[in-house]
Amino acid sequence: AQKITQTQPGMFVQEKEAVTLDCTYDTSDPSYGLFWYKQPSSGEMIFLIYQGSYDQQNATEGRYSLNFQKARKSANLVISASQLGDSAMYFCAMREAFSGGYNKLIFGAGTRLAVHP
Amino acid sequence: DAGVIQSPRHEVTEMGQEVTLRCKPISGHDYLFWYRQTMMRGLELLIYFNNNVPIDDSGMPEDRFSAKMPNASFSTLKIQPSEPRDSAVYFCASSLGVLSSGANVLTFGAGSRLTVL
Repeated sequence: AQKITQTQPGMFVQEKEAVTLDCTYDTSDPSYGLFWYKQPSSGEMIFLIYQGSYDQQNATEGRYSLNFQKARKSANLVISASQLGDSAMYFCAMREAFSGGYNKLIFGAGTRLAVHP
Repeated sequence: DAGVIQSPRHEVTEMGQEVTLRCKPISGHDYLFWYRQTMMRGLELLIYFNNNVPIDDSGMPEDRFSAKMPNASFSTLKIQPSEPRDSAVYFCASSLGVLSSGANVLTFGAGSRLTVL
């Protein structure tokens, strides 16, 4: 079974609008962490935001926020006020503290976001 | 900090040849990871090291692949003999400690794009 599922292969959004990228995960581990990375067309992987399973509040980093719904096992990335430079692939990833091999980060298939002017 | 440094950035070789990819992690980082990215399979973890010791190599595809970390500042991923299906982008990444917070995240190199003809 897929550990990390990103159901949207591609998304587009109008510049200055908000967009939500979906991520669901599967784990029985009580302790885990969720990460989002951005991969522009140049190819590098850029860390965006982190959410721990025990964190009480949803993570925020500038224009990025994470809509964490633990019971539904979803960790959707919200990008507010989209910019042209946000056009990229976005990956959701998970680390399981116990059952996943301790320090392995497993990635989803990614969502390609296109921001239109 | 110079970040994670990988070489070569691009490699084109013929089937059957030996390929060696190199990585210098961020100074002080005690975990080093090798990932492979393809369109078909996405981002796959091949192997990771902690303090130069291989911890999990369950993602290494087959005996043609080997990875070493002779010291804290250098790692190699070797493919011998190479095959066309090995064509991919190979990322090296490092982290300071366990991936358990927004401060301890995977930092990726720029990647090595391998094409096997």
